[in-house]
Amino acid sequence: EAGVAQSPRYKIIEKRQSVAFWCNPISGHATLYWYQQILGQGPKLLIQFQNNGVVDDSQLPKDRFSAERLKGVDSTLKIQPAKLEDSAVYLCASSPGSYNSPLHFGNGTRLTVT
Amino acid sequence: RKEVEQDPGPFNVPEGATVAFNCTYSNSASQSFFWYRQDCRKEPKLLMSVYSSGNEDGRFTAQLNRASQYISLLIRDSKLSDSATYLCVVTGGADGLTFGKGTHLIIQP
Repeated sequence: EAGVAQSPRYKIIEKRQSVAFWCNPISGHATLYWYQQILGQGPKLLIQFQNNGVVDDSQLPKDRFSAERLKGVDSTLKIQPAKLEDSAVYLCASSPGSYNSPLHFGNGTRLTVT
Repeated sequence: RKEVEQDPGPFNVPEGATVAFNCTYSNSASQSFFWYRQDCRKEPKLLMSVYSSGNEDGRFTAQLNRASQYISLLIRDSKLSDSATYLCVVTGGADGLTFGKGTHLIIQP
């Protein structure tokens, strides 16, 4: 089974620039998550999709972050404009749908904002 | 948002020793529990689910104490390759799925 695919692996941008990350979940997985992981901390949920609907975006900084999963498959996460504190690894994960199901993570995108 | 707390460590343990660490959660409505392992600069990977009756997978034993609201992970006969960060995950209720900050384990030769 193919895993969760993410791109790019690395991105370096200057503050106030925009950036977008892409994620393709495991085929058939209804639930897709975007997490932000700052060095030394656990992953923090940014947004959770169930198919193409948003389940939880309570911790998404909506003034600068946006995400979509238009067809209920792959997803993009955008930051506009970026701040220094956005430097982190952005992890995408998917699961079959039940909260009892463990998550499968992609390799992540390491973002550095200078 | 409810909390999931872990001792960040690091736990420095000699090879072959037994090590255990806990994770406490504040949401009594939590329903599912997992331990994930994360190697340096890698993504988290599922280590094991935690069942109410406790469960064992080789050298690893996970237990749940609902009364005191914590889960534990025990590693016996530790190997150098066990060095990693161990993340506790708690799900259920209105808070959805929440990660702890992780416990850093270093197995020393």
